[in-house]
Amino acid sequence: NAGVTQTPKFRVLKTGQSMTLLCAQDMNHEYMYWYRQDPGMGLRLIHYSVGEGTTAKGEVPDGYNVSRLKKQNFLLGLESAAPSQTSVYFCASSYSMRRGQTEAFFGQGTRLTVV
Amino acid sequence: DQQVKQNSPSLSVQEGRISILNCDYTNSMFDYFLWYKKYPAEGPTFLISISSIKDKNEDGRFTVFLNKSAKHLSLHIVPSQPGDSAVYFCAASAQNTGNQFYFGTGTSLTVIP
Repeated sequence: NAGVTQTPKFRVLKTGQSMTLLCAQDMNHEYMYWYRQDPGMGLRLIHYSVGEGTTAKGEVPDGYNVSRLKKQNFLLGLESAAPSQTSVYFCASSYSMRRGQTEAFFGQGTRLTVV
Repeated sequence: DQQVKQNSPSLSVQEGRISILNCDYTNSMFDYFLWYKKYPAEGPTFLISISSIKDKNEDGRFTVFLNKSAKHLSLHIVPSQPGDSAVYFCAASAQNTGNQFYFGTGTSLTVIP
């Protein structure tokens, strides 16, 4: 059982380049999330999705776009990377709160450096 | 503005003793609280949770206490083991905010053998 899988695990981008981070989950979770982790800042929510075809902004959405075309996949896009987007990115998924209180399961993370 | 705060960036404890990690929150609508553990180069893993209708939840060596009036929760680890050395994040959510989890900044726990 793979759980939550993120690709790639590492990436170095030049300023202005674009890229897409892929997240896949095999737990049939309704909700999916993208977080970034920076020193001293904890985990901050970028965007999230409550179901296939729906997305919503989190705490720090600027400079990112997302898509959820399939229930099991959640893509995070950077259209024009900036050094401020150097971070570790985590994808997570969970059941809907309507099923009762539940926890989020996280992927292994993607370390992105923008130079 | 940080809605979930962990004011101690680090904590060192002797093996076998109790570790107490603290977390404060500001949003009174939060009704579900979680603790996650994170090792370097890995994703956070769920440890224990507590609903706002309870004030204590226990799972083996781990106990979480919730004080709603003080908007404070704590994680107790007894006895502490070297393998517990990790970064611990507390998180909170509210049913009326669409399942968003808000995380603290983390506390790095070192258990000294």
